[in-house]
Amino acid sequence: DAGVIQSPRHEVTEMGQEVTLRCKPISGHNSLFWYRQTMMRGLELLIYFNNNVPIDDSGMPEDRFSAKMPNASFSTLKIQPSEPRDSAVYFCASSYFTGPYEQYFGPGTRLTVT
Amino acid sequence: SQQGEEDPQALSIQEGENATMNCSYKTSINNLQWYRQNSGRGLVHLILIRSNEREKHSGRLRVTLDTSKKSSSLLITASRAADTASYFCATGYTGANSKLTFGKGITLSVRP
Repeated sequence: DAGVIQSPRHEVTEMGQEVTLRCKPISGHNSLFWYRQTMMRGLELLIYFNNNVPIDDSGMPEDRFSAKMPNASFSTLKIQPSEPRDSAVYFCASSYFTGPYEQYFGPGTRLTVT
Repeated sequence: SQQGEEDPQALSIQEGENATMNCSYKTSINNLQWYRQNSGRGLVHLILIRSNEREKHSGRLRVTLDTSKKSSSLLITASRAADTASYFCATGYTGANSKLTFGKGITLSVRP
């Protein structure tokens, strides 16, 4: 199995630009999670989906952030417009179970907004 | 906050020594998990212990759970330089659906 796939691995963009991060979960997994990791705030859950349906988006920092999961094999996290404080590593994770169990993380996307 | 808190924040040991890391949490849990993160990589699941279990082993890893004290410990025996990483505890709560709450992590350095 290829594991969770994220693209791009690195993204450098200017303030005000739109950024789209992509994730392909492990085949057969039923839950998908988006996290953000910074030195200051640690690992924060932004949003998660069960069976392609958003369940909890309370971690999404602002309306500038949006996430979609149009099918079981693809999800996007969009930031529009981006700001320097959005600079972080964004992780996608998936889980077979729709419960608080093992999660499998992707390699992350390092986002730098200048 | 339901966030687990790891202790210590950083640990430096010599190769071959044992490393003990602790995690405390605040409310009743369904399970507690430990993850490892190597520099520049995603988190990797190590072990899950359920609330009705007290101890679990996996290779050189030993995890204990004390629900009365709301705490867990991760022991890595005979550490290796390759164990150098950040370690996170994550708690899963009954009724919280799929959500896990991660601590801020412990940085473990194993000196060769």
